[in-house]
Amino acid sequence: AQSVTQLDSHVSVSEGTPVLLRCNYSSSYSPSLFWYVQHPNKGLQLLLKYTSAATLVKGINGFEAEFKKSETSFHLTKPSAHMSDAAEYFCVVSDRAGGTSYGKLTFGQGTILTVHP
Amino acid sequence: SQTIHQWPATLVQPVGSPLSLECTVEGTSNPNLYWYRQAAGRGLQLLFYSVGIGQISSEVPQNLSASRPQDRQFILSSKKLLLSDSGFYLCAWSVRSSGRTYEQYFGPGTRLTVT
Repeated sequence: AQSVTQLDSHVSVSEGTPVLLRCNYSSSYSPSLFWYVQHPNKGLQLLLKYTSAATLVKGINGFEAEFKKSETSFHLTKPSAHMSDAAEYFCVVSDRAGGTSYGKLTFGQGTILTVHP
Repeated sequence: SQTIHQWPATLVQPVGSPLSLECTVEGTSNPNLYWYRQAAGRGLQLLFYSVGIGQISSEVPQNLSASRPQDRQFILSSKKLLLSDSGFYLCAWSVRSSGRTYEQYFGPGTRLTVT
């Protein structure tokens, strides 16, 4: 069984300050991990993915995340927040596809990021 | 490049009326297709997934159904809507491959309000 916990439901930062969105996961296998962003009334956009290559993953819009197996964490960071970063962020873990050709994604409950001017 | 379309963008329907939401993918072949529902404050819930034409798997029992009449077309339906069917419906696709999980790409969504 797999699960993902986003440790903060809301994060508020000032524009230009660092962003940290925390995510812990549980998986029986070596997981694939993703971060998605959702702006209001929009679909989810993939920010970045970890699939057992480099543990520090760089994504779009200046975001990055570090896979730490010993801590079962995959926190999302950005050095300097922009007003356009205000959105909801989802941490996602997947299991192996196996013979079914489908790997189920398990979504965290989301973290709403607010950016103040 | 691949594109995923959903329509309509918004829909207001009375209780007991039928529903049909459509999703199409361009620029890829043999994708896996997914329907999710996002209710307020409840995260994303996988409703159906499909690994091929006519192959539908249901994740959650409900009064909704899905069909895949063509390789890149996925339809979500209901014969009689309930108030609890209100929500934001998202279609997604991924590359089909065994032994590995690929990321999913989401459409723009349909906001359904049942009155």
